[in-house]
Amino acid sequence: GQQVMQIPQYQHVQEGEDFTTYCNSSTTLSNIQWYKQRPGGHPVFLIQLVKSGEVKKQKRLTFQFGEAKKNSSLHITATQTTDVGTYFCAGRWNQAGTALIFGKGTTLSVSS
Amino acid sequence: EPEVTQTPSHQVTQMGQEVILRCVPISNHLYFYWYRQILGQKVEFLVSFYNNEISEKSEIFDDQFSVERPDGSNFTLKIRSTKLEDSAMYFCASSRFSYEQYFGPGTRLTVT
Repeated sequence: GQQVMQIPQYQHVQEGEDFTTYCNSSTTLSNIQWYKQRPGGHPVFLIQLVKSGEVKKQKRLTFQFGEAKKNSSLHITATQTTDVGTYFCAGRWNQAGTALIFGKGTTLSVSS
Repeated sequence: EPEVTQTPSHQVTQMGQEVILRCVPISNHLYFYWYRQILGQKVEFLVSFYNNEISEKSEIFDDQFSVERPDGSNFTLKIRSTKLEDSAMYFCASSRFSYEQYFGPGTRLTVT
């Protein structure tokens, strides 16, 4: 079945350092979403990317969708302790589809 | 702010028993979903529901599982004859359109 690969699985940074997680599909995605899950919490929607080469920013977070729509990344600038959690990408291959296929997530820990 | 609610927060059941997990989606949402997350692992899509019928389902969603929208507000997931490997956090989600999904807090199912 369809799947998205996400790396790294874990990342530890010092507060103020940058962080990036990458998501990759072997086949072209229709769109990709990013979610954040705090420890013990539920996934919370961050953003959806639809267009080839799309770049979106939310304050210190920058999301990119590759030109071929097979990969995506989330970059956090100057991490803060509040950024701690697991970041999941979730892909759709069918524009009319409803199913979201999640990557395994990248768990970010931040030390102050 | 409207939110998805789920009951119970924790359900313990014996292997072979039937369980019903309940969800109240956000009131003006049209799409409803069930996901599960085994401890420490990725979020897995089970089923999506739209216009009173299943839109998509994953390989996990076999004859052991069923969903229902018994009235205008509730959305349920029934698991017949539970197995040990059904132990997981089950998340309900809803969306206005096939876009940003709002997740509930989850029901932790423990099968003993």
